[in-house]
Amino acid sequence: AQTVTQSQPEMSVQEAETVTLSCTYDTSESDYYLFWYKQPPSRQMILVIRQEAYKQQNATENRFSVNFQKAAKSFSLKISDSQLGDAAMYFCARRGTDKLIFGTGTRLQVFP
Amino acid sequence: NAGVTQTPKFRILKIGQSMTLQCTQDMNHNYMYWYRQDPGMGLKLIYYSVGAGITDKGEVPNGYNVSRSTTEDFPLRLELAAPSQTSVYFCASSYSGTGGPDTQYFGPGTRLTVL
Repeated sequence: AQTVTQSQPEMSVQEAETVTLSCTYDTSESDYYLFWYKQPPSRQMILVIRQEAYKQQNATENRFSVNFQKAAKSFSLKISDSQLGDAAMYFCARRGTDKLIFGTGTRLQVFP
Repeated sequence: NAGVTQTPKFRILKIGQSMTLQCTQDMNHNYMYWYRQDPGMGLKLIYYSVGAGITDKGEVPNGYNVSRSTTEDFPLRLELAAPSQTSVYFCASSYSGTGGPDTQYFGPGTRLTVL
């Protein structure tokens, strides 16, 4: 089965600190996309960052960056200078044929 | 652009009733999707469509039907609602070129309760 695994059901971080959320995946493809989505209490799914597997350079979006290890099939999300508004569920996803395959999510709490 | 819009935002159904969840996108995306999210869980794919006139089942299609008569609209039909269909439903769309579907953009969700 082609799966996406998020092994941390919950994480917490102090405001202004850095936190890393883990994600591993399984695939036999050589080219694919990986995504991190954020779901705040409003339930809206918001794209945080996107990585194309053929690009060796790790994607960065402001305070969000990824550590993409293709050989290890690992795709972790680093949030720097955490803010209270970062508190949410975070879902890792891999593009499969015609659809996304989601992990089960990590709930991030941010403490002042 | 409004992006992906869903109606209604909330709905309460009685067991055995039917309803249609509406989804519209104005980004000219060819792919559209319906997901459900149960409390504390991730997203499960119900149905998806790769273009007008083409639909396919996802992980959890039982109890649902879809149609895709236009590029913009992808309604989800619930027949004979059951308590197990109590969930939040998300519609999403993406553009797909030769490399496959790209980033999915989500609607705000519909919270459905079946009593």
